[in-house]
Amino acid sequence: SSELTQDPAVSVALGQTVTITCQGDIFKYYFASWYQQKPGQAPRLVIYGKNNRPSGIPDRFSGSTSGTTASLTITGVQAEDEADYYCNCRDSSGNHLGFAGGTSLTVL
Amino acid sequence: EVQLVESGGGLIQPGGSLRLSCAASGFNVSSNYMNWVRQAPGRGLEWVSVFHSDGRTYYADSVKGRFTISRDSSKNTLYLQMDSLRAEDTATYYCAREVVTVFDDALDVWGQGTMVAVSS
Repeated sequence: SSELTQDPAVSVALGQTVTITCQGDIFKYYFASWYQQKPGQAPRLVIYGKNNRPSGIPDRFSGSTSGTTASLTITGVQAEDEADYYCNCRDSSGNHLGFAGGTSLTVL
Repeated sequence: EVQLVESGGGLIQPGGSLRLSCAASGFNVSSNYMNWVRQAPGRGLEWVSVFHSDGRTYYADSVKGRFTISRDSSKNTLYLQMDSLRAEDTATYYCAREVVTVFDDALDVWGQGTMVAVSS
């Protein structure tokens, strides 16, 4: 099974930098992927692998990993970045995926 | 255009069955890892099942033995057969394409979701 944990909520002032973290032993072996979800919408991939952005994702989004912590950083937060963010990774069996509980980002 | 479109959701009584469909366009379902992910109202994302390109299938413990994932290459469609439904299966169900490398997985294409409500 997957054991990934995120802080439930984070707030940041407009234009500032925010880091959302995800804890899990699995990050010693695999990278996280990160998803943004706005109300009423499907999730959207924003970061995957070591630090890769799909086409169309602004370069203010970046990812990193240190030990058992995966991080999503948004540099120069915009109002439209207010959303729920989920980290995701395969589990130790390598066959299942798991999501953390998500972080609700509020832009002040 | 790469796209996924789910259908088949609805209101169903506990113990009932439902089959969800996910029609793909712009890529081949059979050449990719294809997943179902669900989200209960007001809750987070929960991985449900995956169909690997080599035919292997895996399920979350919460649905194992009750749900069956399948695909039809001729229709380029992924399915989720849901039997013995419970109230806790109430959720929006998304299908998603998974891109896999040695060290990471990413769900890079998502459908818009289909809602399933299990209630008497």
